[in-house]
Amino acid sequence: GQQVMQIPQYQHVQEGEDFTTYCNSSTTLSNIQWYKQRPGGHPVFLIQLVKSGEVKKQKRLTFQFGEAKKNSSLHITATQTTDVGTYFCAGPRYNQGGKLIFGQGTELSVKP
Amino acid sequence: DAGVTQSPTHLIKTRGQHVTLRCSPISGHKSVSWYQQVLGQGPQFIFQYYEKEERGRGNFPDRFSARQFPNYSSELNVNALLLGDSALYLCASGRQATNEKLFFGSGTQLSVL
Repeated sequence: GQQVMQIPQYQHVQEGEDFTTYCNSSTTLSNIQWYKQRPGGHPVFLIQLVKSGEVKKQKRLTFQFGEAKKNSSLHITATQTTDVGTYFCAGPRYNQGGKLIFGQGTELSVKP
Repeated sequence: DAGVTQSPTHLIKTRGQHVTLRCSPISGHKSVSWYQQVLGQGPQFIFQYYEKEERGRGNFPDRFSARQFPNYSSELNVNALLLGDSALYLCASGRQATNEKLFFGSGTQLSVL
């Protein structure tokens, strides 16, 4: 069945270092969404990418959607302790736009 | 504006019991989805309701059921609880049936003993 996979599963960085998480879908996606979940919290929507090759920036966060619309990445420049949490990508199930399939997430820890 | 509210926040049940979880979406949102999140994994889709109709069901057994009320609030029911049902149950609301940009509630942490 349709799968969304993320790597790495964990990433430990020193504050100020960069961080990247990668998301790959087994099928072409109409859009990809990114969510952040702080420890003990709930997922919070960050961004949605729709167009092939799209790049969007939110301050230190850069999101990319692959040309084939099957992969995406999130890059954080100069991490801060406030970036700690698990980052999930999610895409709609093929022909069933109401169902989102989430990746297993990348847990980011930042050492001050 | 109030966000998505879920109740209860925590629940402890024993095997074989049933449970009802409740969710109120953001005002103006007509779509409510339920997700199960096991520790260390991403949320897994259970149900979506839009305008009080079921619009999708995930790969969960018939012990799981849900409904949406005229005021767009929703209930998730789980019968004959199993130990493996222990998880964080998340409710998410959205403006559209396509579930773009979901707003999640804080969840109900269910423990089955």
